[in-house]
Amino acid sequence: AQSVTQLGSHVSVSEGALVLLRCNYSSSVPPYLFWYVQYPNQGLQLLLKYTSAATLVKGINGFEAEFKKSETSFHLTKPSAHMSDAAEYFCAVDGGGYNKLIFGAGTRLAVHP
Amino acid sequence: KAGVTQTPRYLIKTRGQQVTLSCSPISGHRSVSWYQQTPGQGLQFLFEYFSETQRNKGNFPGRFSGRQFSNSRSEMNVSTLELGDSALYLCASSLEALRETQYFGPGTRLLVL
Repeated sequence: AQSVTQLGSHVSVSEGALVLLRCNYSSSVPPYLFWYVQYPNQGLQLLLKYTSAATLVKGINGFEAEFKKSETSFHLTKPSAHMSDAAEYFCAVDGGGYNKLIFGAGTRLAVHP
Repeated sequence: KAGVTQTPRYLIKTRGQQVTLSCSPISGHRSVSWYQQTPGQGLQFLFEYFSETQRNKGNFPGRFSGRQFSNSRSEMNVSTLELGDSALYLCASSLEALRETQYFGPGTRLLVL
């Protein structure tokens, strides 16, 4: 069965610092992996998606993630944090079957001046 | 292209009542999935519809049901509401193929008193 673990429910960084949000997955089939962001009182916005085409995936707003099969990881990074990056971030794996996503518990990112 | 729309955005009900939530997918998208988001359980898959047929279902009681219309719009219904049904209900749409990217609406926040 597919599952996702996000390490760290809260991450705090200074503006301009590196952002690293951790995600480990478990999947019985080659996974499709996603990162979504949720701003307060809003739905989920897709940041990026891994579909096995390339291990380094670039997304919107300067985010990227690297798929590492040996580590079963799909960590999200951004070189320089902006105040506007403060939000909750969710890693998800395709849950098998029809269009079912399995989400991690989420990581709330705080960005300090 | 307009995004996924959900109505209403906010809803207050009392225990024992029933509620119907509506979702209009992105034009051309024929798959609609529903998710429940709560602080305790996180994001959980409810069900997915395609071409008016439920193709996938999560682990929720039968009080939770849905349907899809010929224009791909979808509704979900919760009968005999319980306090624990208070949540943000998110709808997502995608193209008909499997493992397509899901695009989320802003959600309907349901409060059960």
